[in-house]
Formats: sequence, structure tokens, C-alpha cells
Amino acid sequence: QKEVEQDPGPLSVPEGAIVSLNCTYSNSAFQYFMWYRQYSRKGPELLMYTYSSGNKEDGRFTAQVDKSSKYISLFIRDSQPSDSATYLCAMSASGNQFYFGTGTSLTVIP
Amino acid sequence: GAGVSQSPSNKVTEKGKDVELRCDPISGHTALYWYRQSLGQGLEFLIYFQGNSAPDKSGLPSDRFSAERTGGSVSTLTIQRTQQEDSAVYLCASSHGTREAQPQHFGDGTRLSIL
Repeated sequence: QKEVEQDPGPLSVPEGAIVSLNCTYSNSAFQYFMWYRQYSRKGPELLMYTYSSGNKEDGRFTAQVDKSSKYISLFIRDSQPSDSATYLCAMSASGNQFYFGTGTSLTVIP
Repeated sequence: GAGVSQSPSNKVTEKGKDVELRCDPISGHTALYWYRQSLGQGLEFLIYFQGNSAPDKSGLPSDRFSAERTGGSVSTLTIQRTQQEDSAVYLCASSHGTREAQPQHFGDGTRLSIL
């Protein structure tokens, strides 16, 4: 079993829709959770960084962590064509070991 | 400020040749990581440097792969006797360190193609 599971999609939504992206994990020691956005031929760009359980909001983006279910989500409100990218989740217990999902490809259709 | 810089952005070489990939991390970042990203695959950890400590080489796939970090800043990833399965995007990331799991900041990668 992989440490982190992420549905690769592709996911296609109309402009203005609410998008939900998810990852599940198996290691209960994970306590740091990140979401990255990666445009084609670019490196991953950090979107959200959260510690432990709960929600964190930044503009149109909300990150949610449910440690009891080992499940994290990224919600994008009022999605825009510029949100079209691959979204990677990442997590860590501590220190230098990070585990990444394989990424979900998102297309927002104008 | 400047982000993580990687060069070259693209590299095409023949099987059996050696290649060197360069990473210039964000100034002040003590931690530096190399990853490999293949189509449809997640990021594969290769090697990690933290300050003056011995690097964590546990992710290097074979002894053809090596990396060094000079003066705690610039890093070079070297692949000797390249094989076609080495074709991938090689990403470098840096962060402030490991007091806690500091988020990593990535460069745009080197796209390596082995003919």
C-alpha cells in the first residue's frame, strides 16, 4: 500500500464551480500537510501548508485535514481557467521525509 | 526574491553519456532535496542535504547517481552512464531546515531525455 493515495483524475469542471481534491494516507504519524499546484513544464508551487487537523483558508482555497479518517482535502471556490493545473498533496511526520501523491489533473472550462 | 534555480532546463543526451544537473537553492535555505518525476508517477525522493550533515542518499536508485553540495549552497546531481529509464524531470527543492517539516520550494526542473 502506498503511503499516500490520490486520484489522478482527470477532473474537468465549468468555470465558477467548486472543486474538491482529496488524498488519503496510511501513516497516522503524519502531522504536516501540504498542497502544491503544478503547471505544465513548471515546478510544484506551494499553495497551502497546515499542521494537524482542522481547516485553513486562503482566498478561494480551503485546506481541510481529518486525521481520524486519514483524509485531506483542498477546496477551490469560484474556480477559474487559471486554476487548470495538476494538484499534488504532500505530507510528513517530521524532519526531512516527505510523501507526495501522484497528483490530480484539473481543467476548468471557460 | 529569487526562487530555486535549476539548469539546464532541458537536456538531451545519448545513452551511456554522463550528465550533470545543477540546482541553486533559495538564499538562506539550509535544506536541499532532489526528486525525480516521471509521467504519471509521484515525486520520487532521491537525496537530501541539511547544512553540514551527511546527506541522506537513501533514495538514489543506483550507484550511477551521485550528488554533492558545495559550500552549503549550490548542488549538482550527476548521472553516469545514462540509461533510457533515467529519462524524467529532475526537480530540486529547498527549505529553511528541519526544526519541523518546513514546506519545500521547488525549481522548474531539468527535463532529461536519454536517446
